Amino acid sequence: DQQVKQNSPSLSVQEGRISILNCDYTNSMFDYFLWYKKYPAEGPTFLISISSIKDKNEDGRFTVFLNKSAKHLSLHIVPSQPGDSAVYFCAASARNFNKFYFGSGTKLNVKP
Amino acid sequence: NAGVMQNPRHLVRRRGQEARLRCSPMKGHSHVYWYRQLPEEGLKFMVYLQKENIIDESGMPKERFSAEFPKEGPSILRIQQVVRGDSAAYFCASSSDRGTEQYFGPGTRLTVT
Repeated sequence: DQQVKQNSPSLSVQEGRISILNCDYTNSMFDYFLWYKKYPAEGPTFLISISSIKDKNEDGRFTVFLNKSAKHLSLHIVPSQPGDSAVYFCAASARNFNKFYFGSGTKLNVKP
Repeated sequence: NAGVMQNPRHLVRRRGQEARLRCSPMKGHSHVYWYRQLPEEGLKFMVYLQKENIIDESGMPKERFSAEFPKEGPSILRIQQVVRGDSAAYFCASSSDRGTEQYFGPGTRLTVT
């Protein structure tokens, strides 16, 4: 039962342009969402989070948007840099849950 | 940099042997989570522990797998009588509180031959 879905396994973007990574969820109880970045042979690195009381959170080049009615969130990276090339995971949880549910990841390739 | 530490980074075991994976959480974190990642897949939750307590083990196979987080020392994920299907990357994460962002270790890559 995949409660968090990332339907695009890969995305290729030119350096300097915007990267948009998408994530959908099915459980309306989820109220806290995170994005992680993962390089090969390393653990995931926390990037940015958003609580359901907000619809946008920004941190430097990274912005996460949350659309609760559509059960959809997205991560925007502007401008994209070659060092952003990695696998990006979204994760979701609820305050009274014990765990995060992760999507299957989107592999971003930023071309110089 | 007192991040989440995992050892060993790579572990090779023959079928039927035992695998022990260790995780030391970030300083000040008392919540530990274990995840498994199979090739080309996302992270799958296995177990959530606080000091001396298993809070949620709903993602862990009922047989051969066990986890502990003693009062002193690292958290241990133990896999008995390993099979080829146990080959995966096992990640540990820690957090300061339940439901807050989790910080991951570098993972242990288990290969069963």
